[in-house]
Amino acid sequence: AQSVTQLDSHVSVSEGTPVLLRCNYSSSYSPSLFWYVQHPNKGLQLLLKYTSAATLVKGINGFEAEFKKSETSFHLTKPSAHMSDAAEYFCVVSEAGGYQKVTFGTGTKLQVIP
Amino acid sequence: DTAVSQTPKYLVTQMGNDKSIKCEQNLGHDTMYWYKQDSKKFLKIMFSYNNKELIINETVPNRFSPKSPDKAHLNLHINSLELGDSAVYFCASSLRPGYGYTFGSGTRLTVV
Repeated sequence: AQSVTQLDSHVSVSEGTPVLLRCNYSSSYSPSLFWYVQHPNKGLQLLLKYTSAATLVKGINGFEAEFKKSETSFHLTKPSAHMSDAAEYFCVVSEAGGYQKVTFGTGTKLQVIP
Repeated sequence: DTAVSQTPKYLVTQMGNDKSIKCEQNLGHDTMYWYKQDSKKFLKIMFSYNNKELIINETVPNRFSPKSPDKAHLNLHINSLELGDSAVYFCASSLRPGYGYTFGSGTRLTVV
């Protein structure tokens, strides 16, 4: 069975400071991992994905995430927050093989303070 | 050109009614999905189709019935709507199962 835990339901940062959104997963197989962003009243947009290639994954809008197998983590970071980053972020795990089941985390709401 | 388009964007209806939500993707993807997002933003998969074949059917009331006339379309029909069905429903597609999703912009269903 697979699961994903987003450790913070809310994160608040000042504009221009670093962002860290934490995600831990459990999976019986080699997982694929994703981060999605949802702006208010919008659909979800793929930020980045890890699929067993490089462990440091770069995504859109300056975000990146590092896959750490030993820690079963896939934390999302950005060096400097922008007001437009305020949104809900979802960590997602998908197990390889067959018709992969995808599990969404419960989301982290990022607030950016001017 | 919208990659995954859902209609309608908003749907307000009375309890007991039957309604449909349509979804179309122009990405050439093989796999399509329906997700329900509740008021706490929790996303739960409802159905998944791969090349018009149902591959995921989570614990969803029988009142919900997906239909995929071709691999570019996945519609959701809901019978006898209940208050608890109020949510945002998202359609999504992926190249194949387990690949990254492209989401539609959602349909906000309100049952009164």
